[in-house]
Amino acid sequence: GESVGLHLPTLSVQEGDNSIINCAYSNSASDYFIWYKQESGKGPQFIIDIRSNMDKRQGQRVTVLLNKTVKHLSLQIAATQPGDSAVYFCAENTNTGNQFYFGTGTSLTVIP
Amino acid sequence: DSGVTQTPKHLITATGQRVTLRCSPRSGDLSVYWYQQSLDQGLQFLIQYYNGEERAKGNILERFSAQQFPDLHSELNLSSLELGDSALYFCASSVNSGGYEQYFGPGTRLTVT
Repeated sequence: GESVGLHLPTLSVQEGDNSIINCAYSNSASDYFIWYKQESGKGPQFIIDIRSNMDKRQGQRVTVLLNKTVKHLSLQIAATQPGDSAVYFCAENTNTGNQFYFGTGTSLTVIP
Repeated sequence: DSGVTQTPKHLITATGQRVTLRCSPRSGDLSVYWYQQSLDQGLQFLIQYYNGEERAKGNILERFSAQQFPDLHSELNLSSLELGDSALYFCASSVNSGGYEQYFGPGTRLTVT
């Protein structure tokens, strides 16, 4: 099966600092990646996505970087706020059967 | 609020029983996806329906089945329940069939005793 993994299960950052959450994927044929945020007691929330023909995509305070050479994906959150505390998942779409494979998640804690 | 609704929020049942989880997608979305989230497995894709037809199948057990109705709501049926089926079950929806920009509901927490 597909393998999408996260380098760090937990991450703590000071409020106002930048956060970087990493994700490794195994299928070089994957063509679409998504980052989700899941707050306690809620469903995952779409943050940002990127297609394999791009290296970088920016959103509001978030940037996703894709390195296809090493099959690595990262999510950068600028000026991290307490409301950013959540579990972050990366998901990979192999475009074969529309299946998405999710990593186990990284728990981000923002220290005030 | 994602616009995706799921009922019930909580469900407690005994082993061997059968339950039905319901999902209403966002207005205008044709695809519905079902996921299982357990502590040790993370988010696992189960199945996708697009405009009433099964589109993709993931790690769905034979004891589980789903369907999407003409009004686009979907139901996930879980039968012969086992303790290991205890988990959060999420429904997501998207406009198209490609899985892009899925919006998740709040989930149904199933506890099998």
